Amino acid sequence: EIVLTQSPATLSLSPGERATLSCRASQSVSIYLAWYQQKPGQAPRLLIYGASNRATGIPARFSGSGSGTDFTLTISSLEPEDFAVYYCQQRSNWPLITFGQGTRLEIK
Amino acid sequence: QVQLVESGGGVVQPGRSLRLSCAASGFTFSTYPMHWARQAPGKGLEWVAVISKDGRDKHYADSVKGRFSISRDNSKNTLYLQMNSLRPEDTAVYYCAKDIKVAAADYYFDYWGQGTLVTVSS
Repeated sequence: EIVLTQSPATLSLSPGERATLSCRASQSVSIYLAWYQQKPGQAPRLLIYGASNRATGIPARFSGSGSGTDFTLTISSLEPEDFAVYYCQQRSNWPLITFGQGTRLEIK
Repeated sequence: QVQLVESGGGVVQPGRSLRLSCAASGFTFSTYPMHWARQAPGKGLEWVAVISKDGRDKHYADSVKGRFSISRDNSKNTLYLQMNSLRPEDTAVYYCAKDIKVAAADYYFDYWGQGTLVTVSS
């Protein structure tokens, strides 16, 4: 099983600041990585797939990068609605799909 | 617009069975692979199962293999998850999710339902 480790566990920032979230895989997943946003009581929302492709309707302030074992989700300038939990997910060795444990982005 | 609405959750005793349903609308259901995922209370996400667009090909997470069965009825635009031999560790919100890719699964999930809570407890 490919283990995804997200860091930090919690990130405290203010609106307008830049957020950088990390996801590290226990072995290479090539570019087969996605990022999701989840707000309390809501379903996850796909942000990025294929490491760097924004999903339909996702604002340009969200960007993804990386390949192999190290990936980054960047939010260029935080909006109030961006404070949520973020998960990475790999599909490299489907159907053994795995998610990271999540990073909580909270308002400072 | 795409809508996925799960139903069938509830409280069930260990060892018993439950069937979840997911009603889909707003897209051509019969052309997309579909998935179930779950989230234990206060925990992260876990993928559970996938079914091909025609229902012939199915795959499961090791944690549910042999106990859960995914199926679909394309005439009713509905996805199902039959859960047998339920365990306390199966307690979670269960989500159905649409695959991002037409025809063959890409294992990225672009639309999710709001989920249905399954509680396994005596």
